[in-house]
Amino acid sequence: AQSVTQPDIHITVSEGASLELRCNYSYGATPYLFWYVQSPGQGLQLLLKYFSGDTLVQGIKGFEAEFKRSQSSFNLRKPSVHWSDAAEYFCAVGVGWRNNAGNMLTFGGGTRLMVKP
Amino acid sequence: EADIYQTPRYLVIGTGKKITLECSQTMGHDKMYWYQQDPGMELHLIHYSYGVNSTEKGDLSSESTVSRIRTEHFPLTLESARPSHTSQYLCASSRGGKYYGYTFGSGTRLTVV
Repeated sequence: AQSVTQPDIHITVSEGASLELRCNYSYGATPYLFWYVQSPGQGLQLLLKYFSGDTLVQGIKGFEAEFKRSQSSFNLRKPSVHWSDAAEYFCAVGVGWRNNAGNMLTFGGGTRLMVKP
Repeated sequence: EADIYQTPRYLVIGTGKKITLECSQTMGHDKMYWYQQDPGMELHLIHYSYGVNSTEKGDLSSESTVSRIRTEHFPLTLESARPSHTSQYLCASSRGGKYYGYTFGSGTRLTVV
């Protein structure tokens, strides 16, 4: 069965510093990978996704992620963090069809990002 | 902007009351999902639907029930609320297929006192 691990539950960075959030997946076939962000009291917003082609994908809000098949990873990066980036971040892997539900996503446990002034 | 709407955003209700959390989407998506999110952030799938008149239970056992009478509407009902039901409930929809991911609503934060 597929699984997604986000090893860091909490991360604190200073404003202006670079950021990398880790995501490791376990899935036998070609994965379809997503990063979502959740601001306080809100639902999840899609940041970026990967399913083929260039392994470095660009997303919204200046985020990017790199797919590394050899490491089963899909880490999220941002060169310079802004205070408004403080939120919870979820990595997810899309699997095939499950009882015809389609595109069933398996989510990691999330990483809470705090930004110091 | 969000094309999936959840109401109410916040609800405080007494034990034993019946409640319905509403979820509607205007995108014509066939697939819809309900997640329960605990304070530790983790998302737990409790119900999903792949079309009208189809519903399935998710990975986390839940006392709630759902219905899908119309494509755009996927309400969740608790017949008798208990404090253990206190949580955030997130609704999502998808076009289906591996490529699209989910579109999420803003969530309903339920507190049962």
